[in-house]
Amino acid sequence: SAVISQKPSRDICQRGTSLTIQCQVDSQVTMMFWYRQQPGQSLTLIATANQGSEATYESGFVIDKFPISRPNLTFSTLTVSNMSPEDSSIYLCSVVEGGNDQPQHFGDGTRLSIL
Amino acid sequence: GIQVEQSPPDLILQEGANSTLRCNFSDSVNNLQWFHQNPWGQLINLFYIPSGTKQNGRLSATTVATERYSLLYISSSQTTDSGVYFCAVLRPSGSRLTFGEGTQLTVNP
Repeated sequence: SAVISQKPSRDICQRGTSLTIQCQVDSQVTMMFWYRQQPGQSLTLIATANQGSEATYESGFVIDKFPISRPNLTFSTLTVSNMSPEDSSIYLCSVVEGGNDQPQHFGDGTRLSIL
Repeated sequence: GIQVEQSPPDLILQEGANSTLRCNFSDSVNNLQWFHQNPWGQLINLFYIPSGTKQNGRLSATTVATERYSLLYISSSQTTDSGVYFCAVLRPSGSRLTFGEGTQLTVNP
């Protein structure tokens, strides 16, 4: 399966700042997703990253807060904007190779803490 | 949307014991995956199992799609099995995985 590299692995940020998380895959993939996992909770889908077009956001998530780029089939970024302590979470990217009935594989995640 | 329920929410075992984790889902699915999240937060794929039975070492999984449930079996548990086990499903019409709330497993030496 594809090798997924996510950077940074962790960060501590000041409130009001923004952080961009990168997800790099070693092969072309059909689909890329971004998830959030708040402390002690399950994973929630933020958006589907669409290559060359605007991401598709889930209910409760907006582009101004979580802008996403996907310039090609191997790379995507998620920015967490104007951060507050409530944004402290693990952010994970996932990918699908082939059709959407194929398994999703996850990066190691970015553990983000906001002071 | 589809509902995914996992049980039990918490499980504490002694090393060497066996366990069964359950995942119930409320609608038809095209895909079901089991994941293990280790204490460092890494999410590890265990099984892709929309139906049938698969085995991988001490772990095995069975999905009965017609009855809308899946089971994950862990035999001869080890302390490294500790962590959270998630079940996630994909509906036929969609592309987004829906996760259950997870089972927190602690294996004591």
